[in-house]
Amino acid sequence: EAAVTQSPRNKVAVTGGKVTLSCNQTNNHNNMYWYRQDTGHGLRLIHYSYGAGSTEKGDIPDGYKASRPSQENFSLILELATPSQTSVYFCASGDRGGAGDTQYFGPGTRLLVL
Amino acid sequence: SQWGEENLQALSIQEGEDVTMNCSYKTYTTVVHWYRQDSGRGPALIILIRSNEREKRSGRLRATLDTSSQSSSLSITAAQCEDTAVYFCATDPSSGQKLVFGQGTILKVYL
Repeated sequence: EAAVTQSPRNKVAVTGGKVTLSCNQTNNHNNMYWYRQDTGHGLRLIHYSYGAGSTEKGDIPDGYKASRPSQENFSLILELATPSQTSVYFCASGDRGGAGDTQYFGPGTRLLVL
Repeated sequence: SQWGEENLQALSIQEGEDVTMNCSYKTYTTVVHWYRQDSGRGPALIILIRSNEREKRSGRLRATLDTSSQSSSLSITAAQCEDTAVYFCATDPSSGQKLVFGQGTILKVYL
């Protein structure tokens, strides 16, 4: 079964601080994604990647950066965290592009920005 | 039904009943994914229906897709307590695996 792990699982940060959320997948999938989930908004795409070294902006990229140093790892970086970024963040991986392919999600990271 | 600016939907049914969740979408897609999210976990795909399929079945699940009305539905037959979860539909407008998720439907099944 596809395996996606995230760390940390819970994080409390201060406003203006830097936060890095990490994601690792052992599926050898080319594509990886970062979403945030807020009540009433479903899942919203922040950044995604088609492979090592590539990052693309999703639907809500403002205030976030992403890094894909390897096939397995994909990080989401909040350089200057704000309370509005308090949310649950999910990482996902998926194989080749094309309609119909499954995305496999990690367990999520709860981030609270005070 | 879920999509766009619509609020999160909630359904509460008794075990053994059938339930249908609806999803409408705004842009062209060749596939509709249905994901299930259990409390405290990430979403997981439960069924996928392509534009050349009007209906797809998997166990107690049945998905339909009407491309002319840009809508899809997910039905669960004889719901069980363990079906309690949030159900999302998702489309792929860019055909490049960038999924767009609906707001979700909260389903609670009680004894």
